[in-house]
Amino acid sequence: NAGVTQTPKFRVLKTGQSMTLLCAQDMNHEYMYWYRQDPGMGLRLIHYSVGEGTTAKGEVPDGYNVSRLKKQNFLLGLESAAPSQTSVYFCASRPPEAGRTKEQYFGPGTRLTVT
Amino acid sequence: AQSVTQLGSHVSVSEGALVLLRCNYSSSVPPYLFWYVQYPNQGLQLLLKYTSAATLVKGINGFEAEFKKSETSFHLTKPSAHMSDAAEYFCAVSDQGRGRRALTFGSGTRLQVQP
Repeated sequence: NAGVTQTPKFRVLKTGQSMTLLCAQDMNHEYMYWYRQDPGMGLRLIHYSVGEGTTAKGEVPDGYNVSRLKKQNFLLGLESAAPSQTSVYFCASRPPEAGRTKEQYFGPGTRLTVT
Repeated sequence: AQSVTQLGSHVSVSEGALVLLRCNYSSSVPPYLFWYVQYPNQGLQLLLKYTSAATLVKGINGFEAEFKKSETSFHLTKPSAHMSDAAEYFCAVSDQGRGRRALTFGSGTRLQVQP
């Protein structure tokens, strides 16, 4: 199993450009999440999905959109990038409720710089 | 609402010394708590988790944590630090009840190990 993978690993955007970050998991997990990591702030939840075709906002959703057309993929879009979106983005997935396994599995991250 | 506080953004210890990383949580219901480790330029890896089965939890790489309800704490310890333990450590609490099951993270503690 590859686990959780993210594409791309690095990206530099100019203000106003758009891009999509791709997250894929091969563990058949229902739940998927997008977090951003900024120095001194830990990880903050951007959007999440509890199943194919469903998405919802987290704590810091402004400026981002997401889609979950297939169970294994969770896309994060930036329609018009801003310097404040310079960050490291992590995708995570989690098994469904059954059982006591409740941790999330994280991808390697995407480092995004907006100039 | 839940929250996690990690005391000390940077901790420095000598190789072979005790490692103590502090985490306090706020939750209105019994929490599920996690410690994750992030090595430079990598994603987050689960160290250990508390899910109410036992108050002393043993994790990977010789780390353990003790859940103390009276102190609302879940401090991470390791008896003898190794150079390879240098990383950033995050404490997190899981959402309770049904729903998104997201994690709320502390701001992280960077551990430095001096030779």
